[in-house]
Amino acid sequence: AQKITQTQPGMFVQEKEAVTLDCTYDTSDPSYGLFWYKQPSSGEMIFLIYQGSYDQQNATEGRYSLNFQKARKSANLVISASQLGDSAMYFCAMREVNTNAGKSTFGDGTTLTVKP
Amino acid sequence: GAVVSQHPSWVICKSGTSVKIECRSLDFQATTMFWYRQFPKQSLMLMATSNEGSKATYEQGVEKDKFLINHASLTLSTLTVTSAHPEDSSFYICSARGPDRAPVYEQYFGPGTRLTVT
Repeated sequence: AQKITQTQPGMFVQEKEAVTLDCTYDTSDPSYGLFWYKQPSSGEMIFLIYQGSYDQQNATEGRYSLNFQKARKSANLVISASQLGDSAMYFCAMREVNTNAGKSTFGDGTTLTVKP
Repeated sequence: GAVVSQHPSWVICKSGTSVKIECRSLDFQATTMFWYRQFPKQSLMLMATSNEGSKATYEQGVEKDKFLINHASLTLSTLTVTSAHPEDSSFYICSARGPDRAPVYEQYFGPGTRLTVT
């Protein structure tokens, strides 16, 4: 079974609107971290936001927020007030403390296109 | 924030030649670095984990004799693609393990190297 599932290969959003990118994960490790990265066409991986498995509150970083639903094993990224520069590929990733030697597991990614 | 550099950013080489890609942590020491490969529109695939002063650990299916990894210092890891072939053309990304970010750790990515084998 895939450890990280991103079910939306592509998403479109109108400029200035909010968009939610889905991510579900699978782990039996109680200690893990969830990350979202943005990869523009240049290829660099840009860290956006982080949620630890023990964090009580949803993480927020500027226009990015993470909707963490632990029981559902869901970690959706919400981008508010989309900008043209948000057009990129977005990856959800998980790092487990006690499993998989602490290595990162990435989802297949979602390509977001912001329309003017 | 922590910076990881890669050199070169892009390279074109002829089939049968070898090419070396460098990954440096510029403002911190990285005992562990990771090498990923990414095909267009696909996810990152971990190739190997590189630990300073010891042999790299390769993922299943990755040819260790073809993709030579050397982590000679706390700030430098190199990936050498030996006897490159067109199917080795890809985007190679390195990352360095950073400080702990409870309960896991930070991971800083380099900008990537685009390899084209003709």
